[in-house]
Amino acid sequence: DAGITQSPRHKVTETGTPVTLRCHQTENHRYMYWYRQDPGHGLRLIHYSYGVKDTDKGEVSDGYSVSRSKTEDFLLTLESATSSQTSVYFCALSRGPGQSSYEQYFGPGTRLTVT
Amino acid sequence: EDQVTQSPEALRLQEGESSSLNCSYTVSGLRGLFWYRQDPGKGPEFLFTLYSAGEEKEKERLKATLTKKESFLHITAPKPEDSATYLCAVQARIQGAQKLVFGQGTRLTINP
Repeated sequence: DAGITQSPRHKVTETGTPVTLRCHQTENHRYMYWYRQDPGHGLRLIHYSYGVKDTDKGEVSDGYSVSRSKTEDFLLTLESATSSQTSVYFCALSRGPGQSSYEQYFGPGTRLTVT
Repeated sequence: EDQVTQSPEALRLQEGESSSLNCSYTVSGLRGLFWYRQDPGKGPEFLFTLYSAGEEKEKERLKATLTKKESFLHITAPKPEDSATYLCAVQARIQGAQKLVFGQGTRLTINP
């Protein structure tokens, strides 16, 4: 248990509605990540953060934004949800540069359904 | 392009029947290869990190090995509780930053 919680765990929303998912950690890890997992695609990186207010895009960032105003929280926002964003979203964290420190530890996931 | 391919997609074994899962990769300058276990409805659980060819790591009935082009996850005398999806990932430098590239996983089922 890497001390990661995600909220909500399940959410159903309508197309065009804004949605924010929250990832919270208790272990002061520097790096935090948001992934989505879909059948046939595996885990794909959406955005990541390497420190407070320091974020960057992953491979599937279109339609998503993130914010990290404090070390322990990393928020993922879907500005206007679409059906293609129906997925399971995972938050992960790692300590950062240096050997052994790119091991990523995952949260329990949020199942999002956009109708 | 950095890529990870896992095979087979699914594997069904009898309890006690040993086998291996494969993870082949192409990455410029491997800095780490990671194995995860994922149970249905849960997040991936970290198992092993391998850094260089010839390295081996063991945990209970699992042993991970690494060559220059692939990694194997050997499962010895598996039990039904070893049923899960096993994910492989490599650490790659993408757009100036270190990131993980995941394979699509092998779904392992152990029948009692």
